[in-house]
Amino acid sequence: DSGVTQTPKHLITATGQRVTLRCSPRSGDLSVYWYQQSLDQGLQFLIQYYNGEERAKGNILERFSAQQFPDLHSELNLSSLELGDSALYFCASSVGVTTNTGELFFGEGSRLTVL
Amino acid sequence: AQTVTQSQPEMSVQEAETVTLSCTYDTSESDYYLFWYKQPPSRQMILVIRQEAYKQQNATENRFSVNFQKAAKSFSLKISDSQLGDAAMYFCAYRSRGGSNYKLTFGKGTLLTVNP
Repeated sequence: DSGVTQTPKHLITATGQRVTLRCSPRSGDLSVYWYQQSLDQGLQFLIQYYNGEERAKGNILERFSAQQFPDLHSELNLSSLELGDSALYFCASSVGVTTNTGELFFGEGSRLTVL
Repeated sequence: AQTVTQSQPEMSVQEAETVTLSCTYDTSESDYYLFWYKQPPSRQMILVIRQEAYKQQNATENRFSVNFQKAAKSFSLKISDSQLGDAAMYFCAYRSRGGSNYKLTFGKGTLLTVNP
């Protein structure tokens, strides 16, 4: 158990809909990262937050948005969903922007299926 | 931008034997981390081993060891005495240690099959 909690674990929805994925980082971790894992694209970095502020942005679509709240949990909002958005979405956390050990701790992922 | 390449989409090994997974990366930085993560069928991303670029000594964790060649930008993973539980997708990953880019950049993965 990494200590990172993601909900929901599975989500099935229709094209055009909007969903919210939630992530609670490990206790004490200030930095949250979102990744998308699809079959043909591997693990793609979406966005990073540190203590409530956006720190880095990757290949995140304009239809997607995220935020980190004062209690440090984060939400990833996906709107106007398309079939191609079906993927496993991972949240990861680390203590700070940099850490002594460097690794990120991953949640179990949220499996999104768009029909 | 940093890139990570895993040239072996699939590998197989007999139980109790040794297998080496390859990884190369491209960076202009001198200080960074390299990782191997394992993703079993449960989908959980599990850290296998970590290497800090400034350390010349290769990291080891029980049956897992790396061959880190900084000049060649190569970071291979050796699994000794392979076990059925080692079957998984293995991802090589890079992370900067300085500047403002702290995300992990992953390779596309190597699917390891362990044959009994």
